[in-house]
Amino acid sequence: GQNIDQPTEMTATEGAIVQINCTYQTSGFNGLFWYQQHAGEAPTFLSYNVLDGLEEKGRFSSFLSRSKGYSYLLLKELQMKDSASYLCAVSDSNYQLIWGAGTKLIIKP
Amino acid sequence: GAGVSQTPSNKVTEKGKYVELRCDPISGHTALYWYRQSLGQGPEFLIYFQGTGAADDSGLPNDRFFAVRPEGSVSTLKIQRTERGDSAVYLCASSPRTGPYNEQFFGPGTRLTVL
Repeated sequence: GQNIDQPTEMTATEGAIVQINCTYQTSGFNGLFWYQQHAGEAPTFLSYNVLDGLEEKGRFSSFLSRSKGYSYLLLKELQMKDSASYLCAVSDSNYQLIWGAGTKLIIKP
Repeated sequence: GAGVSQTPSNKVTEKGKYVELRCDPISGHTALYWYRQSLGQGPEFLIYFQGTGAADDSGLPNDRFFAVRPEGSVSTLKIQRTERGDSAVYLCASSPRTGPYNEQFFGPGTRLTVL
């Protein structure tokens, strides 16, 4: 079967760094996406990894290890507006996105 | 430019009724996806259109659900004989391409409540 695992909830402090992990088992792999979703809003694209390694984009970075079926999203210099759910999604052999349940990130002052 | 739009934003209906949910994708996007999302869950795939045809409808839960995209742009998701378990946020997304790096752009969703 296909499975995406990520922690249900995490808490971090404003100004700190947080790492959100995602592990996956899918039929085929054509890249991994991270999306941000604020409560009551639609998901918005953050990053895409298809090769192993780290992709950096401002305060956000995403890492992929295909051999381990593992990715993480790293958020630096946390701001209160970063409080949201972070969704990991894998593009499978048919280029369909298989979604994790999301990690709710709570930022405390 | 205009993003993906969905109407209505909220729909309250009674059990057994018929509902239609509309999605207007980004102009020029050939791929269109329907998902539904329950609280605390990720999007659950329903159906995917490439142009006018349903390329993959394996996520539709049963034959009460049907979707069309007659001119390859606007899509309508139709639910017959609604049940309380159909209550969820229905998300539409479009993508300019299929294949690698098929970033999907989401609409704001339609919150469906079946009483």
